[in-house]
Amino acid sequence: SQQGEEDPQALSIQEGENATMNCSYKTSINNLQWYRQNSGRGLVHLILIRSNEREKHSGRLRVTLDTSKKSSSLLITASRAADTASYFCATEATTSGTYKYIFGTGTRLKVLA
Amino acid sequence: DGGITQSPKYLFRKEGQNVTLSCEQNLNHDAMYWYRQDPGQGLRLIYYSQIVNDFQKGDIAEGYSVSREKKESFPLTVTSAQKNPTAFYLCASSMAILGTEQYFGPGTRLTVT
Repeated sequence: SQQGEEDPQALSIQEGENATMNCSYKTSINNLQWYRQNSGRGLVHLILIRSNEREKHSGRLRVTLDTSKKSSSLLITASRAADTASYFCATEATTSGTYKYIFGTGTRLKVLA
Repeated sequence: DGGITQSPKYLFRKEGQNVTLSCEQNLNHDAMYWYRQDPGQGLRLIYYSQIVNDFQKGDIAEGYSVSREKKESFPLTVTSAQKNPTAFYLCASSMAILGTEQYFGPGTRLTVT
């Protein structure tokens, strides 16, 4: 089963509004990363937040991590039509020496001009 | 121009045939990965390699094989043992196996009929 689950599955907003996506996971992690995917393309890395960090910013992106709730959120402020894409969280963990890198099912964001 | 390339973009095969997907990177990254993405889903890890001549199974390795004879190359073979091979395949690389962002190629869409 997928470690990460994004919520909502789909989101439609007007240009200029903020978009918030959530990710929940099940086990302890080393870090959590957010990626963006335009339709039919590869993924682009957005931001990495380590398990001992609570919040990170990058331009219009703000990511929070709550390890007690095993959840993360991605906020995109002042959205643009070009932000239309699918957004995935990915958790990195090592369990008994085994590497685990698990992607969530994604949130499809549509920004209307 | 640094990056990660995958070829071909679209690939069609008959059931029962093995097929090899190419992945090359000139980023001097040690770690490389193969993922499978099904429609509307997140990515699932097939195989990963931390270093040349070493690779490990991911979550869905059955029916797939890989090699890592050169640092820059990590080809994936989809064998006839893979029950449902039609999917979008993504290759990625990173500086190290832990704690670093992954850079993705553009993907290969494989259709098996």
